[in-house]
Amino acid sequence: GIQVEQSPPDLILQEGANSTLRCNFSDSVNNLQWFHQNPWGQLINLFYIPSGTKQNGRLSATTVATERYSLLYISSSQTTDSGVYFCAVEDSSGNTPLVFGKGTRLSVIA
Amino acid sequence: DSGVTQTPKHLITATGQRVTLRCSPRSGDLSVYWYQQSLDQGLQFLIQYYNGEERAKGNILERFSAQQFPDLHSELNLSSLELGDSALYFCASSVARWGGEQFFGPGTRLTVL
Repeated sequence: GIQVEQSPPDLILQEGANSTLRCNFSDSVNNLQWFHQNPWGQLINLFYIPSGTKQNGRLSATTVATERYSLLYISSSQTTDSGVYFCAVEDSSGNTPLVFGKGTRLSVIA
Repeated sequence: DSGVTQTPKHLITATGQRVTLRCSPRSGDLSVYWYQQSLDQGLQFLIQYYNGEERAKGNILERFSAQQFPDLHSELNLSSLELGDSALYFCASSVARWGGEQFFGPGTRLTVL
């Protein structure tokens, strides 16, 4: 099945810093989503981005489907950005909805 | 708030017992998905229903079963519970049969003692 790798596994930032999280996947995809899991365990949708670029406030994401990777940019980080960021993909066969990466654990320090 | 509701939020039970987790999808969504998040396995897809019919199956144990009812809510039944079944169980929903954006509920945290 499709493989999803996220990097880095852990990231510690000072408040106000910028960061880039990466997601590599091993096959063509119909769906790619970025999620933020907050300290209470909730999975919050950030982006639905099987291709192209999207922006939402301080967050933006780019997926280059032909090269099988996606990037999540966080600018001017805040302590509330802390948590785990997951990338999840659905391959083009559609047989396995959302395969998740292992996530990037982000800690933003004041 | 994603619009997907799950009950209960927390569940504590003993080994060997059976529990039922409930999920109501967003209004208009026909697909319901169940995922399990455990410390050792990460987030894994269990099963998907689309408009009442099973559409895809993942790493779901035989002791687990699910169904989607005519009003589109879904239930996940876990039986003969083991310590290793302790996990966060998420329900998600989408409009599409496949390929569409999925929206996740708040999860049910199951603890098996």
